[in-house]
Amino acid sequence: IAGITQAPTSQILAAGRRMTLRCTQDMRHNAMYWYRQDLGLGLRLIHYSNTAGTTGKGEVPDGYSVSRANTDDFPLTLASAVPSQTSVYFCASSEGGGGANVLTFGAGSRLTVL
Amino acid sequence: GQNIDQPTEMTATEGAIVQINCTYQTSGFNGLFWYQQHAGEAPTFLSYNVLDGLEEKGRFSSFLSRSKGYSYLLLKELQMKDSASYLCAVNEGDYKLSFGAGTTVTVRA
Repeated sequence: IAGITQAPTSQILAAGRRMTLRCTQDMRHNAMYWYRQDLGLGLRLIHYSNTAGTTGKGEVPDGYSVSRANTDDFPLTLASAVPSQTSVYFCASSEGGGGANVLTFGAGSRLTVL
Repeated sequence: GQNIDQPTEMTATEGAIVQINCTYQTSGFNGLFWYQQHAGEAPTFLSYNVLDGLEEKGRFSSFLSRSKGYSYLLLKELQMKDSASYLCAVNEGDYKLSFGAGTTVTVRA
């Protein structure tokens, strides 16, 4: 089934540890995104990539890094996790970044930092 | 910066109509989306408006007024499966889609 695969589904992590959330898409979409979703705040853009080899910062990029070595994969790394990074993380993709481009979301990764 | 406002919660009866309003003030505007998100699941696309007016898709319709910075999503003939969060999102350009906090709709029998 075409779509986006995220891993892990859920993770509990000690503060200060390094964590990478994985995201893979098989739709050959050019653009990929990482959002975090917190109660009362909605989805907030962390980082995005409009094509392989390029990345950009979103609304809340601090404490996170991304890479886009190829079209399909877009991992999100927390170098040293803090409790405020407890959230549900959604990876998404779209064919482009123009107005009508619909985002397809992965199922999400629930991260708890203690 | 961006400011996208929508009500937190709405409740309606099965078979009724509910209108979810969204107002926005954003640095750019390249279209407005509505997404549906069931509890514990990923958001899924419902509608897209870039020009003023009404777009109808079956039981769901979405309206946009760019001059007023205003949109609404209209859900008709409500069904229990329509209980979900509805997210208003504005494409501000440069690959930035900004979301409101979402409106949780509860459909009661």
